Amino acid sequence: SQWGEENLQALSIQEGEDVTMNCSYKTYTTVVHWYRQDSGRGPALIILIRSNEREKRSGRLRATLDTSSQSSSLSITAAQCEDTAVYFCATGYGNEKITFGAGTKLTIKP
Amino acid sequence: AQTIHQWPVAEIKAVGSPLSLGCTIKGKSSPNLYWYWQATGGTLQQLFYSITVGQVESVVQLNLSASRPKDDQFILSTEKLLLSHSGFYLCAWSLDRNYAEQFFGPGTRLTVL
Repeated sequence: SQWGEENLQALSIQEGEDVTMNCSYKTYTTVVHWYRQDSGRGPALIILIRSNEREKRSGRLRATLDTSSQSSSLSITAAQCEDTAVYFCATGYGNEKITFGAGTKLTIKP
Repeated sequence: AQTIHQWPVAEIKAVGSPLSLGCTIKGKSSPNLYWYWQATGGTLQQLFYSITVGQVESVVQLNLSASRPKDDQFILSTEKLLLSHSGFYLCAWSLDRNYAEQFFGPGTRLTVL
């Protein structure tokens, strides 16, 4: 597996708090995708970070990538109820093979 | 604008019966196409990908097959369903470059009894 052994994690925080989700990967990659999946729907990309970037921001989202430790993180600042979803990291290896991490089920409480 | 459509929306099938799931992409020529499987509460497992008509690469063996009969169409099938095939099947497309953003369809919920 491209990713370390992990199960779907669950995080629950209060609205307005900050949260960080982490992923680690086993083999070299040139890009890490972060997707968000709402219940019963397909995932949607929220941020993409490449190996030549250490940090990427998009609104209240911030992704980091540390190629030396083969890890990535996604932070959400001032979480809102609509941020409730499952968040996945994904990376590519080989040709068009994509591996998704186990995911984090994030619940924002009002 | 590109649109991705999957059919059927949901299926309930018996063990040992055949299955065919479809996916079409409109508004984008020569996309890379992908099939994923997701167990309830689980992550996405890439099953197949295709970068051109008639060519499909298998990523994992789950007693499933895939075909790309047209540039905009991707089919997932099996002749004999297993209980373990239950789950959420997602089709996705991306631009023709390595590890580009994947655009997912709405998915098909499959229940095998």
